[in-house]
Amino acid sequence: AQSVTQLGSHVSVSEGALVLLRCNYSSSYSPSLFWYVQHPNKGLQLLLKYTSAATLVKGINGFEAEFKKSETSFHLTKPSAHMSDAAEYFCAVSASSYGGATNKLIFGTGTLLAVQP
Amino acid sequence: EPEVTQTPSHQVTQMGQEVILRCVPISNHLYFYWYRQILGQKVEFLVSFYNNEISEKSEIFDDQFSVERPDGSNFTLKIRSTKLEDSAMYFCASSSVLNTEAFFGQGTRLTVV
Repeated sequence: AQSVTQLGSHVSVSEGALVLLRCNYSSSYSPSLFWYVQHPNKGLQLLLKYTSAATLVKGINGFEAEFKKSETSFHLTKPSAHMSDAAEYFCAVSASSYGGATNKLIFGTGTLLAVQP
Repeated sequence: EPEVTQTPSHQVTQMGQEVILRCVPISNHLYFYWYRQILGQKVEFLVSFYNNEISEKSEIFDDQFSVERPDGSNFTLKIRSTKLEDSAMYFCASSSVLNTEAFFGQGTRLTVV
């Protein structure tokens, strides 16, 4: 069964510092992986996705993530944090069964990113 | 840019009442989903819908819940007799094909009192 573990429910960085949000996954199949961001009282916005193409994936707002199969990881990074990056970040794995007609996402518990001035 | 829209943004209902949450998915998408997020918890899958039928549902999606695509554009989630524990943010999502990203709506915050 597919699952996602996000290490660190709260991460705090200074403005301009590196952002690193950790995600490890478990999947029986070659996974599709996603990072979504949720700003307060807003919906889920896709940051980036991995779907078995390049292992280093670039997303919006300067975020990127690297798929490492050997480590079953898909950590999210951004070289320099901005105040507007403060939000909750969710890692998700696609749980489509092989040959199935569903594409449900299994989400991690989320990481709340605080950016200090 | 096309987007998923949900109405209402916030609904308050009394316990035992029926509610219908509405969604307009992106027009050329074929797969539709409902998720929910109880305050402070993670986003949970409820149901997926494809080709006018439920393709998968979670254990949360019991007989109190139903989904419908009444016309070519709307996708609804009905909760027949709401309970206090149904209070949550409900997200609708759609995707064009399998293993592509799901686009989420802004959510409907349901408060059961």
